[in-house]
Amino acid sequence: KAGVTQTPRYLIKTRGQQVTLSCSPISGHRSVSWYQQTPGQGLQFLFEYFSETQRNKGNFPGRFSGRQFSNSRSEMNVSTLELGDSALYLCASSLAPGGQPGELFFGEGSRLTVL
Amino acid sequence: EDQVTQSPEALRLQEGESSSLNCSYTVSGLRGLFWYRQDPGKGPEFLFTLYSAGEEKEKERLKATLTKKESFLHITAPKPEDSATYLCAVQAPGEGSGAGSYQLTFGKGTKLSVIP
Repeated sequence: KAGVTQTPRYLIKTRGQQVTLSCSPISGHRSVSWYQQTPGQGLQFLFEYFSETQRNKGNFPGRFSGRQFSNSRSEMNVSTLELGDSALYLCASSLAPGGQPGELFFGEGSRLTVL
Repeated sequence: EDQVTQSPEALRLQEGESSSLNCSYTVSGLRGLFWYRQDPGKGPEFLFTLYSAGEEKEKERLKATLTKKESFLHITAPKPEDSATYLCAVQAPGEGSGAGSYQLTFGKGTKLSVIP
């Protein structure tokens, strides 16, 4: 059974540019979450999607956005990149339906470097 | 605001030397407490879910326990392959719109090194 696939794995951008990251969840998983991981702040929740609807959003500026498609694949976009956006962006999928605790299956992440 | 604090930040053990990692939390309406393991360059890997105080889960050399304020990850006779960062996370009802929305709040982790 294929795991969570994230692309690209590594990318370098310059300040002011925008970036789009992609995530394909495990087959049958309908919930997709995104997290930002940095050495100083650890893992921080960005947003969660279920059946193409954003159900929850973390404390990040509006430059961070996402969406989910009908096949459960998800993308996140960061516009007007800042140096502080350099991080490992992790996508996780879950089998849990709404309201039920569930374990998350993480991808290997997309490492973004902003110069 | 939900908070998760893990201690120690780093721990070095000799192979076979048992120890415990701590995760203290403050959350309203805990729906679950999770332990994950993260190897360098990889995404976190799920280990355990605990739902209520008094619950315990075991897997090989790892045992997780839960009280109303904290969780412990006990490592018995660790081996070098247990070296990793161990992350604790809590799950509570999210503040976003939509019934059933939820999010995980993670601690910053404990980096465990097991020396042969």
